[in-house]
Amino acid sequence: EAGVAQSPRYKIIEKRQSVAFWCNPISGHATLYWYQQILGQGPKLLIQFQNNGVVDDSQLPKDRFSAERLKGVDSTLKIQPAKLEDSAVYLCASRTFKAGGPTDTQYFGPGTRLTVL
Amino acid sequence: LAKTTQPISMDSYEGQEVNITCSHNNIATNDYITWYQQFPSQGPRFIIQGYKTKVTNEVASLFIPADRKSSTLSLPRVSLSDTAVYYCLVDSGSARQLTFGSGTQLTVLP
Repeated sequence: EAGVAQSPRYKIIEKRQSVAFWCNPISGHATLYWYQQILGQGPKLLIQFQNNGVVDDSQLPKDRFSAERLKGVDSTLKIQPAKLEDSAVYLCASRTFKAGGPTDTQYFGPGTRLTVL
Repeated sequence: LAKTTQPISMDSYEGQEVNITCSHNNIATNDYITWYQQFPSQGPRFIIQGYKTKVTNEVASLFIPADRKSSTLSLPRVSLSDTAVYYCLVDSGSARQLTFGSGTQLTVLP
C-alpha cells in the first residue's frame, strides 16, 4: 500500500513570498489533516478535511494560510505572504473514517520543511 | 480538550525495557489512546492504540489503568534504532481532540 505523498520535501523562500504544499493521501482515506511542526515541538493541527469539506480549521491562520481538497483526494496548503515564524515542517496525514467504534490510525507523510528567510 | 503530559526525555541502554508514561487527566469517553514514534526528517509513525487495560502488538505494549487518566507505553528490549521521539495522543477522531504534546525523546545508548 502506497503511503501519504507530499511535495516538495524542502522549500526555502523569503518573507512575504507565497508557497504551496501538495499532499496525496492514501487511496480511499476520506479524512485528511494538515499539521505544522515547529522544531522541538509536537505537531499542531491546522485543518481537517472530510472528503472535500472542511471539518475544522479553527487553528488555521486564515489571514495568510489557505487549504483546499478538490474532489476529495489531493490537497494543497498555501501560505501567502509567509512570515519568519512560518518556518516549520508541514505534515499531511490521512485516515479512514469510521463513525463510532475504534478510531483508525493516522498515516503521516514525510513532511515539507519550509524555511522562511 | 484532552491535554497530554509526558517526560521530556529518557535514556536507556540497549536490551533494556523502556516504559514511557503519559498523563491525560481530561480524557473523554470516546477517546482512544494512540502512541506514535517520530524519527528526524520523518512524519510520526503509528506504534499502538488502546482504549483500556492492555494491548500488545509485535513492537510494544500499552497499559491503561481503569480510570484511563494515564497510559504507559512499554518497549521491550530496545535497540539503538529505537532512539526517537514518542508521542501519546488522545483521539476520538474529532479534530478538536488532536493535540500532540511535546513528546518524549528516547535515547538508547550502547
